[in-house]
Amino acid sequence: ETGVTQTPRHLVMGMTNKKSLKCEQHLGHNAMYWYKQSAKKPLELMFVYSLEERVENNSVPSRFSPECPNSSHLFLHLHTLQPEDSALYLCASSQEAGTSTYEQYFGPGTRLTVT
Amino acid sequence: GESVGLHLPTLSVQEGDNSIINCAYSNSASDYFIWYKQESGKGPQFIIDIRSNMDKRQGQRVTVLLNKTVKHLSLQIAATQPGDSAVYFCAETLTTDSWGKLQFGAGTQVVVTP
Repeated sequence: ETGVTQTPRHLVMGMTNKKSLKCEQHLGHNAMYWYKQSAKKPLELMFVYSLEERVENNSVPSRFSPECPNSSHLFLHLHTLQPEDSALYLCASSQEAGTSTYEQYFGPGTRLTVT
Repeated sequence: GESVGLHLPTLSVQEGDNSIINCAYSNSASDYFIWYKQESGKGPQFIIDIRSNMDKRQGQRVTVLLNKTVKHLSLQIAATQPGDSAVYFCAETLTTDSWGKLQFGAGTQVVVTP
């Protein structure tokens, strides 16, 4: 295990639902990330948090709303999603954001299906 | 398990043989590169990294080669084992980027046959 956990592992939701994805890291890291992984596409960075402050929003639609209450927890709140949002959502953490250590530790992901 | 990256380039390797996985990166200014391995049902896992001031770096059973002239990165796996079956991604970044954003490649599916 990498020390990064994600719940739920699988989620099916309708387009009018509101749900949240949760990520927790047990590594004492200060930076956390959300990525989207779709079939036939490279990993897409969505958000970066450093010391609980959002430092990057990679042109993500407002129907995705991140929250980082502390350096160990990261949430992704979802509302009025579209079918094309169906993907594997990966959380990652790293010691710092933008220092000499770039190694990111990934969780197992949440497989999201929007119906 | 999860199935990501459908229709990825696939490398079929016989157990015990050496594998070579290639990656063409996009930004000539990138100065740091990472290889990740993603097994079915899991998130990507760090394998090895290399900085642009190096041409080669070796780890346990793995070697990464960097050719900056043609923006090419390769991962060599020695004596490939069944546990090496996975999708392999290269990632690049520019370390002067404040937040160390990684740009990932599409990935290569490695299938190890007995």
